[in-house]
Amino acid sequence: GQQLNQSPQSMFIQEGEDVSMNCTSSSIFNTWLWYKQDPGEGPVLLIALYKAGELTSNGRLTAQFGITRKDSFLNISASIPSDVGIYFCAGQLYNAGNMLTFGGGTRLMVKP
Amino acid sequence: DVKVTQSSRYLVKRTGEKVFLECVQDMDHENMFWYRQDPGLGLRLIYFSYDVKMKEKGDIPEGYSVSREKKERFSLILESASTNQTSMYLCASSRTGRPGGEKLFFGSGTQLSVL
Repeated sequence: GQQLNQSPQSMFIQEGEDVSMNCTSSSIFNTWLWYKQDPGEGPVLLIALYKAGELTSNGRLTAQFGITRKDSFLNISASIPSDVGIYFCAGQLYNAGNMLTFGGGTRLMVKP
Repeated sequence: DVKVTQSSRYLVKRTGEKVFLECVQDMDHENMFWYRQDPGLGLRLIYFSYDVKMKEKGDIPEGYSVSREKKERFSLILESASTNQTSMYLCASSRTGRPGGEKLFFGSGTQLSVL
């Protein structure tokens, strides 16, 4: 299947710091999504992006759909302890129905 | 809110046992999915279903089967569990169509250990 390269694999940051993570692919995606998985729970959708170049915010989170349509970025500003979890990017190809390809995840740890 | 419920949070089974993982969603979604989650590998699709009694193989269907007899229920079956099937299993559902159909709603997961 398709591959999404998500980096970094893990991050250990100080509370209050900003965080950046990204996903890249060799394929062009029609939709990019970012999910967060809290410890012991299933992933929950944070942001959905539908157009190349689109920049969308959800509180302290900002995500961008790359111009090439082969990448996406997620930034978290002023991190807090409850930001801890695993963040997944997911991409959808235009003709893939409801199928998503997921990145390997970024595990975020926040030190108070 | 959509609710996707997985029957067990933790399961411990022995090699060779037949294992059933159950998933129920309450939002009348057409599509249901089973993923397994392993560290560093993200979420890998095992099987999905877009209608009752319909099923399609995902990326890693070997060793698994599924059943969808009712729209709200999607079961994952391990015919003969093996130690390499120890993993977190996540069920998800979505509606059909765009936009919105690309948004998956996940259950809390079942951590399966095969000894």
